[in-house]
Order: sequence, then structure tokens, then C-alpha cells
Amino acid sequence: QSALTQPRSVSGSPGQSVTISCTGTSSDVGGYNYVSWYQQYPGKVPKLMIYDVTNRPSGVPDRFSGSKSGNTASLTISGLQAEDEADYYCCSYAGSNTLVFGGGTKLTVL
Amino acid sequence: EVQLVESGGGLVQPGGSLRLSCAASGFRFSSNSMDWVRQAPGKGLVWVARIHSDGSSTNHADSVKGRFTISRDNAKNTLYLQMNSLRVEDTAVYYCTRDFGGLSLWGQGTVVTVSS
Repeated sequence: QSALTQPRSVSGSPGQSVTISCTGTSSDVGGYNYVSWYQQYPGKVPKLMIYDVTNRPSGVPDRFSGSKSGNTASLTISGLQAEDEADYYCCSYAGSNTLVFGGGTKLTVL
Repeated sequence: EVQLVESGGGLVQPGGSLRLSCAASGFRFSSNSMDWVRQAPGKGLVWVARIHSDGSSTNHADSVKGRFTISRDNAKNTLYLQMNSLRVEDTAVYYCTRDFGGLSLWGQGTVVTVSS
């Protein structure tokens, strides 16, 4: 149950696009199409942004999109806005009814 | 209103026990798998345990296996986490989550502090 690997931080200017990567193994990210992404503001409860690799829950802006290639999943935020500045976590099903999170990425909007 | 409300957190000495509860409302609790997720101060999210909708199957992270037990009472729409042999490193906010299309619903969290 090793944590998925995410960059500690990423940054971008308003209007730009940023991509956050999430690298696992064939036993988690690469083995299942069950990757989800969560946004968390400081001191707040995490919010689901993407599930099952590419699906957006109702109410999440279409600026947020997910993808996966091999053992790496990605969250792309296009048309970056100041309100997107937050921590982002990926999560994958890891078999045997277990989940594993990434270490989290701090997104800074310059 | 669709919500999860945790309770039961607090300050406990190393080696002690606590039982967390999570009251669900506004959705069909008995139809959903549920998970506990924790977050230590200043750290990331960590999955702790999962239970099937009917309670027939449970799974725990290696770090808590043998010490923590997830359970549920579908008649009371309540999820539990029994935590025994607590360690300083178990100090965290504990979140109850609904596992459907990702972790789609989160409680506000309950704080567990393990300290002497």
C-alpha cells in the first residue's frame, strides 16, 4: 500500500492550463479505471472533482478533466482561475477492496 | 439533506481506545459501501478502511490492521470505527465517506489526538 506519486507543487497563471500527474503501478492506477481526484482548501473538507478516471460529478466545471496512460493518471485544469488554488489528491483502487491516495499537490495560481 | 456527521473524536493516551461514529442521512445508506479516510496535521489524505454496503466484507490499511475495526448498523444508518491500541501517529482528522462514483460525500471530520 505505497502512496501514489504526485508532484509536491505546480503553478500557473490565470487562463493557462496545468496538469497534475499521479503515478502508481500496475497494481493500482494501471490495473483499474478507478482513479479519482479531490480538491481541498486549507482547513476544509475534500471535494470530489473526477471519478473513474474521466468522469466529472455534477457541478464540477468542465475546465477540470482527467485522463490515464499506463500507470500514470493526470488531472488537467484549463482556463486556470484564482479559486483553483488548493491542494489536489489522486486516489486509486488498489485491489482487494482497498484504496490508495497520492501525497497531494499544492496548486498555486500566480 | 444528504450528509454525513462524525462524532466520537477526542484526546486519548497512547494505548487507549476510541469509537468513532458517522450518522448518515438523506440517502440510502444501506446501498452504499463506506470508507474512513484520515489526515494527520499538515499531511495528506490516507485511506483507513472500507466496508461493503451490507457489512459482509471489510478491509483495513496495513497501518491499522489488527487495531482498528470498521463496522456499520444499517438499521441506524450509522458507520463506526473502533480504534484500539492507539498510537501517537494515529493523530488525525478522521473523515467518513460514501464510496459511490469515487468518494462522493464526506463528513466534516472528527479530530483524534493521541498524546500523553
